[in-house]
Amino acid sequence: DTGVSQDPRHKITKRGQNVTFRCDPISEHNRLYWYRQTLGQGPEFLTYFQNEAQLEKSRLLSDRFSAERPKGSFSTLEIQRTEQGDSAMYLCASTDLNTEAFFGQGTRLTVV
Amino acid sequence: DQQVKQNSPSLSVQEGRISILNCDYTNSMFDYFLWYKKYPAEGPTFLISISSIKDKNEDGRFTVFLNKSAKHLSLHIVPSQPGDSAVYFCAASAVNSGAGSYQLTFGKGTKLSVIP
Repeated sequence: DTGVSQDPRHKITKRGQNVTFRCDPISEHNRLYWYRQTLGQGPEFLTYFQNEAQLEKSRLLSDRFSAERPKGSFSTLEIQRTEQGDSAMYLCASTDLNTEAFFGQGTRLTVV
Repeated sequence: DQQVKQNSPSLSVQEGRISILNCDYTNSMFDYFLWYKKYPAEGPTFLISISSIKDKNEDGRFTVFLNKSAKHLSLHIVPSQPGDSAVYFCAASAVNSGAGSYQLTFGKGTKLSVIP
């Protein structure tokens, strides 16, 4: 296992379009997180899954954002009707009960 | 309201000397603290962590100190190497405090430059 994998690495989209990102966690990890990082800031928590259950959602996750983890393995994060303010690095992380969160390389979203 | 603060945006240190990165927190429910290192265009990489039941944890050149009464932690890197140049993030969670939250709260980061 090579760690947490995110796809795509980069995405440029026009304002108003929908985008979807994928995260494949480390295979034995049952917890999966999505974070967002903008320039000059640390990563900000968006949402958390334990297996397929979405247990926490940040108020940053507006109704245009939806995340799923249908079989408790990979996860997708969809942003509908993208806005310029959505431009950021979207980070996925996974962990099991006793380890620290391991992050993927992120998806850089640019909304033009 | 920023619950984890890294007040130094940047730090420059000579190779071979000690680097000290500081972090303050305000939420008394935090009971687990971590340091991550981040290179440009990559995700954060875990460095070292400390539970609130300890005041020091050491791993090779990296040592984290926790002062709960002051709500302050620091990361010491000795000796500093040019490859340590990166942005360092302090993070905290309240996983065992009864708050039931597994999320990490990050500071804004400190950019460390180690000069050869």
